[in-house]
Amino acid sequence: ETGVTQSPTHLIKTRGQQVTLRCSSQSGHNTVSWYQQALGQGPQFIFQYYREEENGRGNFPPRFSGLQFPNYSSELNVNALELDDSALYLCASSLGGQLTMNTEAFFGQGTRLTVV
Amino acid sequence: DAKTTQPPSMDCAEGRAANLPCNHSTISGNEYVYWYRQIHSQGPQYIIHGLKNNETNEMASLIITEDRKSSTLILPHATLRDTAVYYCIVRVRYNFNKFYFGSGTKLNVKP
Repeated sequence: ETGVTQSPTHLIKTRGQQVTLRCSSQSGHNTVSWYQQALGQGPQFIFQYYREEENGRGNFPPRFSGLQFPNYSSELNVNALELDDSALYLCASSLGGQLTMNTEAFFGQGTRLTVV
Repeated sequence: DAKTTQPPSMDCAEGRAANLPCNHSTISGNEYVYWYRQIHSQGPQYIIHGLKNNETNEMASLIITEDRKSSTLILPHATLRDTAVYYCIVRVRYNFNKFYFGSGTKLNVKP
């Protein structure tokens, strides 16, 4: 148990629809990042949020967006779903900041998204 | 962040030590070596990290060569539950959660 929880665990959507995935970070963690993992591949970094602001983004189009809330939980939103968006979506949380030593990142169990 | 190279798969007999190699020849001075593993599409699990000294914890040992261009993760007594994909990642320690995963090594522990 890492203390990072994601919901829902599984989801089926139709091409063109929009989806929102949720992540509750471990208590005390202020940084959340999101990853996409296609079948048989390693996780790919989407973006991360630190204290409610995006502070890093991977090679993903703008239809992938996110939010971080004051309690440091986070959402990943994907608009105009495509078949290739089918993947396991992972979030990771840690304690970050320039003046504090970062903790290691702890991952949730992921949300399995299927786009049909 | 520097890239890493790992063998795609390895076998290990249960109870024996599993030695997983990783090459990171372009590693820079402020980059750490991290190891995570992922068991059957669960979330990646942190194992260990190091900068230049060898490290040991309750899960594993990490041996980093003197030139830091390669490292080895050692599971001293592998069990069937250690069957997983193991990822070697190089990153700046305070680069928050920006991990760049490669394809990893699938470790098969056999009875």
